[in-house]
Amino acid sequence: KQEVTQIPAALSVPEGENLVLNCSFTDSAIYNLQWFRQDPGKGLTSLLLIQSSQREQTSGRLNASLDKSSGRSTLYIAASQPGDSATYLCAVGNQAGTALIFGKGTTLSVSS
Amino acid sequence: GAVVSQHPSRVICKSGTSVKIECRSLDFQATTMFWYRQFPKQSLMLMATSNEGSKATYEQGVEKDKFLINHASLTLSTLTVTSAHPEDSSFYICSARVGAGGLSYEQYFGPGTRLTVT
Repeated sequence: KQEVTQIPAALSVPEGENLVLNCSFTDSAIYNLQWFRQDPGKGLTSLLLIQSSQREQTSGRLNASLDKSSGRSTLYIAASQPGDSATYLCAVGNQAGTALIFGKGTTLSVSS
Repeated sequence: GAVVSQHPSRVICKSGTSVKIECRSLDFQATTMFWYRQFPKQSLMLMATSNEGSKATYEQGVEKDKFLINHASLTLSTLTVTSAHPEDSSFYICSARVGAGGLSYEQYFGPGTRLTVT
């Protein structure tokens, strides 16, 4: 059974820092991996989607990497801003078109 | 990008009543929609997979007679919480899959519905 773990559970950094959020999964036979942002009491905003054949995806200040063989993904946020404060969720799709399996998330707080 | 809406965004109901939550894909057709539940400070947990025109597939431990799912069209799936109890209070989120034909199968999520049962 696929399990997704995110470390750390919470992270506080001053504005401007570069930071890395970690995600690990137990079964490396995945189809894709998505990173989401969730603001308190709100739904999910998709940040990056990585297919199993890809090693990384970039969008603006965000870069997500995928190492399937080791069961790891990282989300790199450059030059963090207070507006980046949110919970970041990692989710794995085991097969094409199936539901996602989520980690518990990393709650990020960026202070000005 | 693809947009998914949910209605209502928040609902408070009395114990024993039923509540219907709608999930719509606004600018694409979704043959498959997923319903998740999120308890405070917990991850999203899949409740059921909803396929247009057929019965939903429920995850282990989710009562299909309590959480009724209907996917009558390619743009609408509904979740009805029947005889709601306070322990059903949670954040319910749907997602719709853009899929088939070699696409990425990326899922787009609705904004969620906060259900409070008193």
